[in-house]
Amino acid sequence: DGGITQSPKYLFRKEGQNVTLSCEQNLNHDAMYWYRQDPGQGLRLIYYSQIVNDFQKGDIAEGYSVSREKKESFPLTVTSAQKNPTAFYLCASSIGQGIGQPQHFGDGTRLSIL
Amino acid sequence: AQTVTQSQPEMSVQEAETVTLSCTYDTSESDYYLFWYKQPPSRQMILVIRQEAYKQQNATENRFSVNFQKAAKSFSLKISDSQLGDAAMYFCAYRRGGGGADGLTFGKGTHLIIQP
Repeated sequence: DGGITQSPKYLFRKEGQNVTLSCEQNLNHDAMYWYRQDPGQGLRLIYYSQIVNDFQKGDIAEGYSVSREKKESFPLTVTSAQKNPTAFYLCASSIGQGIGQPQHFGDGTRLSIL
Repeated sequence: AQTVTQSQPEMSVQEAETVTLSCTYDTSESDYYLFWYKQPPSRQMILVIRQEAYKQQNATENRFSVNFQKAAKSFSLKISDSQLGDAAMYFCAYRRGGGGADGLTFGKGTHLIIQP
């Protein structure tokens, strides 16, 4: 079945440590996205990529980095510069340049601080 | 910048009744798309319905329909014949139009409770 796989489901970070969240899709989608969700809040856009080797900052990119070396993969690194990383992280993808194509979401990764 | 506002943090409805969730948005664009997503306790985001701003006809998907008022920048979701499985967080989302693939701007959500 086609879909988006996020791993791990739960992740713990120590102070001063960088951690990487994985996102893989086999939907042959061009565009991929990372969102952050805090309790009682909607999703906020961290980074997005419309094609391989290209990505743009979203509304809350500080303290995060991404890469897009393959169409299927869009990993997110939470760096030590992100002082409040505890949140639920969702990866999404869409066909890309199309007429209002909806985004499909993975099951998310919950990141906590040790 | 675009903003999306959901003014109802929580709504409750009896099973089999109809409920309407409100959403307003602010944008200077004329071409855009609007979406309603459902997030059950599993935290998975599920697309419920979408609306293209250039279409005057309101979108409908089975028991789910929208009331899109472009001039008022309002996009409410009506759920008919509510079922226990409809209990979830509901998020309204906006995406700018054009040929690109920008990210979505979300509201803070409405928690829908279904009373048996």
